Amino acid sequence: QKEVEQDPGPLSVPEGAIVSLNCTYSNSAFQYFMWYRQYSRKGPELLMYTYSSGNKEDGRFTAQVDKSSKYISLFIRDSQPSDSATYLCALINTGGFKTIFGAGTRLFVKA
Amino acid sequence: DAGITQSPRHKVTETGTPVTLRCHQTENHRYMYWYRQDPGHGLRLIHYSYGVKDTDKGEVSDGYSVSRSKTEDFLLTLESATSSQTSVYFCAISEDRKSSYNEQFFGPGTRLTVL
Repeated sequence: QKEVEQDPGPLSVPEGAIVSLNCTYSNSAFQYFMWYRQYSRKGPELLMYTYSSGNKEDGRFTAQVDKSSKYISLFIRDSQPSDSATYLCALINTGGFKTIFGAGTRLFVKA
Repeated sequence: DAGITQSPRHKVTETGTPVTLRCHQTENHRYMYWYRQDPGHGLRLIHYSYGVKDTDKGEVSDGYSVSRSKTEDFLLTLESATSSQTSVYFCAISEDRKSSYNEQFFGPGTRLTVL
């Protein structure tokens, strides 16, 4: 069993839609939960991070962690064509330096 | 953008030839990583370094070796390239944050094709 599972998509939505991206994980020791965004032919960049359970909001983006279910989500409101990218969830232990990445979900937002 | 460069950016080589990819950083970060990215597998860690001359294996290290003789440079070598090593290779760096999350900064990637 992989430590983190993420549906690779692709996910195609119309502009303005609410997008939900999700990952499940198996190791309860993970404390930091991150989302990286990767545009085509570029390296990933950190979009958001959350410590432990709960929600974190940044503009149109909301990251949600449910540690009891080992389930993390990224919501994008009012999606834009510029949001078209691959979104990778990433998990890490406190003080650790190795990050476990999901496979990434490709998102297409159609104008 | 974090100061990370990778060279070459593209390379086509033949099976059995040695290949060296270079990662150079100007951030003086302690940790450096080499990943490969393939469809359906996401980012998989090949090797990482936690200091000069200090390296360790990741989950897909077979067929790869690394060296770090200076803080700023991390080299990845394919001793004898195989077609299964055709991939996009990313270098990443991170600071030493023992009490916080560990954001990794990625380079632009190297597209390697082994014929």
